[in-house]
Amino acid sequence: AQTVTQSQPEMSVQEAETVTLSCTYDTSESDYYLFWYKQPPSRQMILVIRQEAYKQQNATENRFSVNFQKAAKSFSLKISDSQLGDAAMYFCAYRSAHLPNDKLIFGTGTRLQVFP
Amino acid sequence: SAVISQKPSRDICQRGTSLTIQCQVDSQVTMMFWYRQQPGQSLTLIATANQGSEATYESGFVIDKFPISRPNLTFSTLTVSNMSPEDSSIYLCSVLTGSYEQYFGPGTRLTVT
Repeated sequence: AQTVTQSQPEMSVQEAETVTLSCTYDTSESDYYLFWYKQPPSRQMILVIRQEAYKQQNATENRFSVNFQKAAKSFSLKISDSQLGDAAMYFCAYRSAHLPNDKLIFGTGTRLQVFP
Repeated sequence: SAVISQKPSRDICQRGTSLTIQCQVDSQVTMMFWYRQQPGQSLTLIATANQGSEATYESGFVIDKFPISRPNLTFSTLTVSNMSPEDSSIYLCSVLTGSYEQYFGPGTRLTVT
């Protein structure tokens, strides 16, 4: 069974600085998707970024980028120029590309604090 | 993307009663899901709501406790039956789009006293 591990329960960063959140996963599959979700105190889950396993190029969305290391099964999220509004819980998630295992599997989350 | 609304946004219920949560999405989607998020924890999938057939439940969740309806491709309900304080959680509706991205509703915060 696939698992997702986030080993950092909490992280903090100064405003305008860069922070990297770690995520590792375990799977025997070669086709899958990886995601980072953000959940601010409002509790709305927001999709931040996605990565297809077959793509070697790391995904980027504005200030958010990933470092996808398929062989190492690592999928870290880098937030550049951190802003106060980035403070939230961040969840890493895995989805298989194959039925019937195509359910979103979440890590335990990393709470990010942003200090002015 | 998809815009998802949930009703109610929060509720406080007495032990032994039931609450039905509604989920409405702004476009037709094939797959809808219900998740539970207990305080300070990650999300746990309760079931996949299938249109026109019974929901598919994950291990540890049963239809008698969490009956689900999916009458069409834009709407689903989750009922939390015979509630106990252990059912106090956030319940989230989610949909899968054609681009294999999954979006979430704003959640329903349930407190059982």
